[in-house]
Amino acid sequence: NAGVTQTPKFQVLKTGQSMTLQCAQDMNHNSMYWYRQDPGMGLRLIYYSASEGTTDKGEVPNGYNVSRLNKREFSLRLESAAPSQTSVYFCASMTGVEPQHFGDGTRLSIL
Amino acid sequence: DQQVKQNSPSLSVQEGRISILNCDYTNSMFDYFLWYKKYPAEGPTFLISISSIKDKNEDGRFTVFLNKSAKHLSLHIVPSQPGDSAVYFCAASAGSGGSNYKLTFGKGTLLTVNP
Repeated sequence: NAGVTQTPKFQVLKTGQSMTLQCAQDMNHNSMYWYRQDPGMGLRLIYYSASEGTTDKGEVPNGYNVSRLNKREFSLRLESAAPSQTSVYFCASMTGVEPQHFGDGTRLSIL
Repeated sequence: DQQVKQNSPSLSVQEGRISILNCDYTNSMFDYFLWYKKYPAEGPTFLISISSIKDKNEDGRFTVFLNKSAKHLSLHIVPSQPGDSAVYFCAASAGSGGSNYKLTFGKGTLLTVNP
């Protein structure tokens, strides 16, 4: 029972490089979310997908793009990474009135 | 403008005592509240929730209280155990589900339970 799986777990990038963070869920959830967590900032919503084929901006979308590839997968892309995007990224999924289930995160450092 | 506030970055309690974590919100549209627990190097895990139609919800050692007039909620852990040591996030939403369901999180409170 994997739940929400994020890959990779760790990544170091240079400024200007591009990167795609992958997220897959095996719970048949309709909605998926990408958050970032910075020290002292809590979790902030980047983008979300209410259902397959739809995506919407969250609180901090600048510098990111997303793709809801199918019902299981929701990817987050950094086209030109910046040091300000150094963070821990969490993917979550849910359906109906259940609480969101989170993956274990991707720790991204941009030099 | 922070809509969900956890004003205590950290809290330390003795094993067996009560832990009380507080959360305030400013958005009157919020009507569903959740607490998540997070261990280092893991994702947040759901702990307990409360709808605005209630003022209390219990689940074992965990109780959440909601004071709508004060826009305040609190999480009580009794008795506290060393395994409860984690960061606790308060989260709020307008509605408990639906196509535009989004959570707004507080900054978290680090709870340390000392043996």
